[in-house]
Amino acid sequence: GQNIDQPTEMTATEGAIVQINCTYQTSGFNGLFWYQQHAGEAPTFLSYNVLDGLEEKGRFSSFLSRSKGYSYLLLKELQMKDSASYLCAVMDSNYQLIWGAGTKLIIKP
Amino acid sequence: ETGVTQTPRHLVMGMTNKKSLKCEQHLGHNAMYWYKQSAKKPLELMFVYSLEERVENNSVPSRFSPECPNSSHLFLHLHTLQPEDSALYLCASSPTGQGTYNEQFFGPGTRLTVL
Repeated sequence: GQNIDQPTEMTATEGAIVQINCTYQTSGFNGLFWYQQHAGEAPTFLSYNVLDGLEEKGRFSSFLSRSKGYSYLLLKELQMKDSASYLCAVMDSNYQLIWGAGTKLIIKP
Repeated sequence: ETGVTQTPRHLVMGMTNKKSLKCEQHLGHNAMYWYKQSAKKPLELMFVYSLEERVENNSVPSRFSPECPNSSHLFLHLHTLQPEDSALYLCASSPTGQGTYNEQFFGPGTRLTVL
């Protein structure tokens, strides 16, 4: 079966750095997405990785290793507004998105 | 209006009621999706429409009936629901229904409670 694993919840301090991991086992691979979802709101796109390596976009970076079936989302200089759920999703060989259950990130002052 | 909109935002219904959820996208996309989001569970894809034709139906119970009259509008008709159907129902759209890098844009969702 297809499976996406990510931690259920993480806590970090304002101004610090946090890394949210995602491991996957899917039928084929056509890219990995990270989305951010604030409570009661729509998920919004953060990043897309299809090749190995690190993609940086401001305070957020996303890393992919296809051979290890592994990705992480790195958030730097954490702000209170970064408190949200972070969803990892992999596009399989049928171009269907397989979603993880999300990681709830709690930022403390 | 911009992006993807959904109405209503909140809905409470009894098990014998019939109701409909509405989604509208203002992005010129050709594909639209219905997802179910339950607490601490992955997003469950329910239906996919590409150019108004249903291309995916992930074994969803018949009490959920989708309708896509055009590429901008998507409905989910609800009938004889069960309490376990209570969840957040998200609509999304993407430029195409298939192909690489097909970023999906989500609406804010309808919070459904079935009594």
